[in-house]
Amino acid sequence: QKEVEQDPGPLSVPEGAIVSLNCTYSNSAFQYFMWYRQYSRKGPELLMYTYSSGNKEDGRFTAQVDKSSKYISLFIRDSQPSDSATYLCAMSAGTYKYIFGTGTRLKVLA
Amino acid sequence: DGGITQSPKYLFRKEGQNVTLSCEQNLNHDAMYWYRQDPGQGLRLIYYSQIVNDFQKGDIAEGYSVSREKKESFPLTVTSAQKNPTAFYLCASSQVMNTEAFFGQGTRLTVV
Repeated sequence: QKEVEQDPGPLSVPEGAIVSLNCTYSNSAFQYFMWYRQYSRKGPELLMYTYSSGNKEDGRFTAQVDKSSKYISLFIRDSQPSDSATYLCAMSAGTYKYIFGTGTRLKVLA
Repeated sequence: DGGITQSPKYLFRKEGQNVTLSCEQNLNHDAMYWYRQDPGQGLRLIYYSQIVNDFQKGDIAEGYSVSREKKESFPLTVTSAQKNPTAFYLCASSQVMNTEAFFGQGTRLTVV
């Protein structure tokens, strides 16, 4: 079993939809959680960083962490074609090591 | 603007050659990392460094070498011992461990 599971997609949604992206994990020691957006042939761009359970909002993005269920989510409101990218979740147990999901490919259709 | 600069963007290597990928950051971060990204796989850690003149092997260090002589620089050498070097290489940095990591734009290495 992988430490972090992420559905590869692709996930296709119409413009303006609310997008929900998810990761599950098995290591209860993970404390720090990140979401990245990666466009094709580019480096990942940090979107959200959280270190506790609950919700964190930044503009159209909301990150949600449920440590009891070992489940994290990223919600994108009013999705735009420019949001089309691969979204990576990442987490850390307080060491040097960040564990990444394989990424979910999102397509927002105009 | 602060950030991480990787160069070159594209690199071609002949069989048996060593090549060096550059990574420079001006974020004043202590920790730096090298990852490899292959299609359908998550990022895999090659090497990391917490401070100058110190670095540690990650999960897939075989066939790679690094140095950390300056805080802002963390070059990666892909040696001829790396059997499958064609991949997208990403450099990252963080203030210290456990804080958010920021990435460069990557170097795509192709063996020809």
